[in-house]
Amino acid sequence: AQKVTQAQTEISVVEKEDVTLDCVYETRDTTYYLFWYKQPPSGELVFLIRRNSFDEQNEISGRYSWNFQKSTSSFNFTITASQVVDSAVYFCALRPAPRAGGTSYGKLTFGQGTILTVHP
Amino acid sequence: KAGVTQTPRYLIKTRGQQVTLSCSPISGHRSVSWYQQTPGQGLQFLFEYFSETQRNKGNFPGRFSGRQFSNSRSEMNVSTLELGDSALYLCASSWGRATDTQYFGPGTRLTVL
Repeated sequence: AQKVTQAQTEISVVEKEDVTLDCVYETRDTTYYLFWYKQPPSGELVFLIRRNSFDEQNEISGRYSWNFQKSTSSFNFTITASQVVDSAVYFCALRPAPRAGGTSYGKLTFGQGTILTVHP
Repeated sequence: KAGVTQTPRYLIKTRGQQVTLSCSPISGHRSVSWYQQTPGQGLQFLFEYFSETQRNKGNFPGRFSGRQFSNSRSEMNVSTLELGDSALYLCASSWGRATDTQYFGPGTRLTVL
């Protein structure tokens, strides 16, 4: 069974602060995929990043960066110099790689989400 | 390229009624997945369709069903609505390989009175 834990239910910061959202996962699969999605008040889940379990390289995209550590089963997300527009709910998700006769098609296992509020 | 579209965006029904929600995937995508989002349970997987076939199903009662058409558009149906079915229903599309990223629509907000 898969499990994703986002320990921080809510985070509140002031604009320009850096903020890190934690994500810890559990899986017995050796190959899997990790994702981060952002959900603004409009409700749509916006894809941010995908990381394959066999690629532990960290990634930076503008003010966003992700730290994947397989040894600790963590996939943390950092926003540098946060802005008010970053206010949203952020979800970490996991999907195992397909196996023969597999049941992983389509099924993302999500964490409970972290509500990020950035104050001006 | 147009994103995933879902209709209607908002729906109010009463207990015992049934409802049909629609999802049009990104052009070229052949897989559609459905999720239910509630404050208590979070985001939960309902089912996934590819080429008109259900390939995967979550742990939901038989009142929840879906189908996919030859143009990859998908519908989900909930019969005999219960108060607990009030939720945001999200649809996601992808090319269809199990490794592909899913892109989500804006959701349908269902309220059951």
